[in-house]
Amino acid sequence: QSVLTQPPSASGTPGQRVTISCSGSSSNIGSNVVNWYHQVPGTAPKLLIYANNQRPSGVPDRFSGSKSGTSASLAISGLQSDDEADYYCAAWDDSLNGRVFGGGTKLTVL
Amino acid sequence: QVQLVESGGDVVQPGRSLRLSCAASGFTFNKYGINWVRQAPGKGLEWLAVISYDGSDKYYAGSVKGRFTISRDNSKNTLYLHMNSLRPEDTAVYYCARLNYYGSSGYCDYWGQGTLVTVSS
Repeated sequence: QSVLTQPPSASGTPGQRVTISCSGSSSNIGSNVVNWYHQVPGTAPKLLIYANNQRPSGVPDRFSGSKSGTSASLAISGLQSDDEADYYCAAWDDSLNGRVFGGGTKLTVL
Repeated sequence: QVQLVESGGDVVQPGRSLRLSCAASGFTFNKYGINWVRQAPGKGLEWLAVISYDGSDKYYAGSVKGRFTISRDNSKNTLYLHMNSLRPEDTAVYYCARLNYYGSSGYCDYWGQGTLVTVSS
């Protein structure tokens, strides 16, 4: 059972916009920033969004992040087949004194 | 370019110990904290530990506290994870990931390719 809660799956068709949610509590998302990672199975995770809504260089602006209260969301617009991957949210947890991840969301492009 | 290369993964019996290494290059190693994160087969990511740039601060996940020890040798640009009393549930791919900051908020910006640890009799 992950500290941060994500839907296990999400899907969309090419060109569509999809969102992935990440729910936490006051000790993690409620008081710290959220980062997002994506991972193609069999490869290492890669940073997608940091500090709630910042994109590293090289990440297209089709990807955006937001946070409100104890929840965060990742939005992907103009969905492409290459976007098929597992997506994870993460945040520092002040009560656990450690970093916590969501359980991951498998995105399928139909 | 930033590179993190893990090594040391192996098949080990329950109760035994193992040491993983993470060799860093392409950046000033002694200016960055580093994390260990693992992923059990078919499962999600699990954060294990982080060490500060100079090794003075260390934090651990409850699942490994007291069994795993994170350390670093800045003269060798290398991070370590000493794992004791290994259990079958420790079977996973182990990643090291560099810790960067946006203001005071940390995030893992570069990850290694991972090394597989299998705990089985």
